[in-house]
Amino acid sequence: NAGVTQTPKFQVLKTGQSMTLQCAQDMNHEYMSWYRQDPGMGLRLIHYSVGAGITDQGEVPNGYNVSRSTTEDFPLRLLSAAPSQTSVYFCASRPNYANTGELFFGEGSRLTVL
Amino acid sequence: AQKVTQAQTEISVVEKEDVTLDCVYETRDTTYYLFWYKQPPSGELVFLIRRNSFDEQNEISGRYSWNFQKSTSSFNFTITASQVVDSAVYFCALSDPSAGKSTFGDGTTLTVKP
Repeated sequence: NAGVTQTPKFQVLKTGQSMTLQCAQDMNHEYMSWYRQDPGMGLRLIHYSVGAGITDQGEVPNGYNVSRSTTEDFPLRLLSAAPSQTSVYFCASRPNYANTGELFFGEGSRLTVL
Repeated sequence: AQKVTQAQTEISVVEKEDVTLDCVYETRDTTYYLFWYKQPPSGELVFLIRRNSFDEQNEISGRYSWNFQKSTSSFNFTITASQVVDSAVYFCALSDPSAGKSTFGDGTTLTVKP
């Protein structure tokens, strides 16, 4: 099983450029989310979705957009990248929106904004 | 608001020593779930254990054990006879069914020296 797949694994952007981090899961999980990991700051929730067509903001949503048109996909869009968005991004999913299960993480995407 | 505190930023031990990683949490909810995840140097996030707020039984899995105490809002993780392969960043996380979000601590970096 592929689990949670993130692409790309590495990306370098210039300030002001836009890009989309892709996330796909093949486990039919209702819940999907995006986290960013910065040194010494743990994992911070950016956006999450409890099902197709439903998204909500997390702890640090500014500068990011998401959509959930299918159960499988949950892309994260940076409309105008800033150096403060340099980070490692993780997509995660779990089987239901009731928040009782563990998260299944992708391998991460390392983004550098110059 | 939920909060997870992992006061130990870094711990260094010599192989075969026992080590305990501390996790203290804050929540107003009566129903919640606690988790531990491991992030080895390769960068992926691996689920270790889940505990719900109604189950205070300690758990042992091989060299790993977890001590959940509601009275002190703690969910500590002990590795017995540590090994070099235990070197990783360990995250404690808290989630509640109503909020749909998981809150992570900042992580504890464990280094096990041979």
